[in-house]
Amino acid sequence: AQRVTQPEKLLSVFKGAPVELKCNYSYSGSPELFWYVQYSRQRLQLLLRHISRESIKGFTADLNKGETSFHLKKPFAQEEDSAMYYCALNDGGFKTIFGAGTRLFVKA
Amino acid sequence: EAGVAQSPRYKIIEKRQSVAFWCNPISGHATLYWYQQILGQGPKLLIQFQNNGVVDDSQLPKDRFSAERLKGVDSTLKIQPAKLEDSAVYLCASSLTGTGWNTEAFFGQGTRLTVV
Repeated sequence: AQRVTQPEKLLSVFKGAPVELKCNYSYSGSPELFWYVQYSRQRLQLLLRHISRESIKGFTADLNKGETSFHLKKPFAQEEDSAMYYCALNDGGFKTIFGAGTRLFVKA
Repeated sequence: EAGVAQSPRYKIIEKRQSVAFWCNPISGHATLYWYQQILGQGPKLLIQFQNNGVVDDSQLPKDRFSAERLKGVDSTLKIQPAKLEDSAVYLCASSLTGTGWNTEAFFGQGTRLTVV
């Protein structure tokens, strides 16, 4: 069965420090991986997806099939990055499942 | 473009009562999802529609939860009777299709249900 694991419930870093939010998945096929973000009082929205290989708001994520990971990284965290981040997996057959989420808190 | 609309935003009911939530997806989106998000957890898929057909409802507690998608557009999710553990935010999302490049899910604001 598909599963998405985000081991950290809370991650606190100082402004300007690098940040890495971890995501591991279990799926036997070729999944599509996503990062969704929810800022305070806003709806859940897509941040980036692995197939587009893009950088959004300075964030990047690389799919590592050997380690079944899709960690989200940013070299210099900003206060406005404080939010809930969810890793998600689509199995290519319609279903999208989410991890439990990591709350990122960027301190001034 | 207009986003996913959900109503009501908040609902408080007593246990054993019934409740219904409504969702209007983005126009043209074939896939519609209902997620349950309990405080401190990630969204959990309850049911997924492709047009007006059910793709996946394996995690829907069918003894009390039901959902339908009329004419492949709007959808309603009903709980009857509600239990205390149903207290959660119910999120509706839609995507253009369920596969390929069009799997990005667009979410509504959610309905916060409190069962007392």
